[in-house]
Amino acid sequence: QTVVTQEPSFSVSPGGTVTLTCGLSSGSVSTSYYPSWYQQTPGQAPRTLIYSTNTRSSGVPDRFSGSILGNKAALTITGAQADDESDYYCVLYMGSGISVFGTGTKVTVL
Amino acid sequence: QLQLQESGPGLVKPSETLSLTCTVSGGSISSSNYYWGWIRQPPGKGLEWIGSIYYSGSTYYNPSLKSRVTISEDTSKNQFSLKLSSVTAADTAVYYCARRRDCSGGSCYHYFDSWGQGTLVTVSS
Repeated sequence: QTVVTQEPSFSVSPGGTVTLTCGLSSGSVSTSYYPSWYQQTPGQAPRTLIYSTNTRSSGVPDRFSGSILGNKAALTITGAQADDESDYYCVLYMGSGISVFGTGTKVTVL
Repeated sequence: QLQLQESGPGLVKPSETLSLTCTVSGGSISSSNYYWGWIRQPPGKGLEWIGSIYYSGSTYYNPSLKSRVTISEDTSKNQFSLKLSSVTAADTAVYYCARRRDCSGGSCYHYFDSWGQGTLVTVSS
């Protein structure tokens, strides 16, 4: 069973920069996995942030950016704001119609 | 604007079958290039992809749930449905329906671009 790993938590200061990563239990993440990123606040449905590695979804501020860093997908928040405090999930497309969610990262802004 | 709305019982007894329906408005589930699927989130835990159905009717399931899951569609009602059999307390979760964008115009995307608000299903006697 493929496991998609994320850091459990991160803390960032207001105005600071944080990079979350999304890796595979075995192997490297590349653009061929079409990494996407979602933000979720408590009690709410996820919100799509990034797709196809680095394309921002409509209405997403440009302080959110996606990339491949080494062998992982990455989401960078530059100039963090208080309302960026959320859970963040990546999704990798494994082919054959199958998607796998990452374990999620809780970001605290303080 | 595309909207997805989950509906179904909020309480299911252990060993029974969980059944949910997603009603889509503002778009057709018969549109090519999209998958329609289900994702769940147990209380306090992460998101898990359950499975999807393509506009053609082809289905794709999470291997860990495949033996218990059936996803089907009713194009006349613009709805798709989830059935999860032999449920236990571990199946207690918020269940979301979502649309996943596939390939079009020579490019592929494979990401969830629209979500329902979610519905809590509790498995308990």
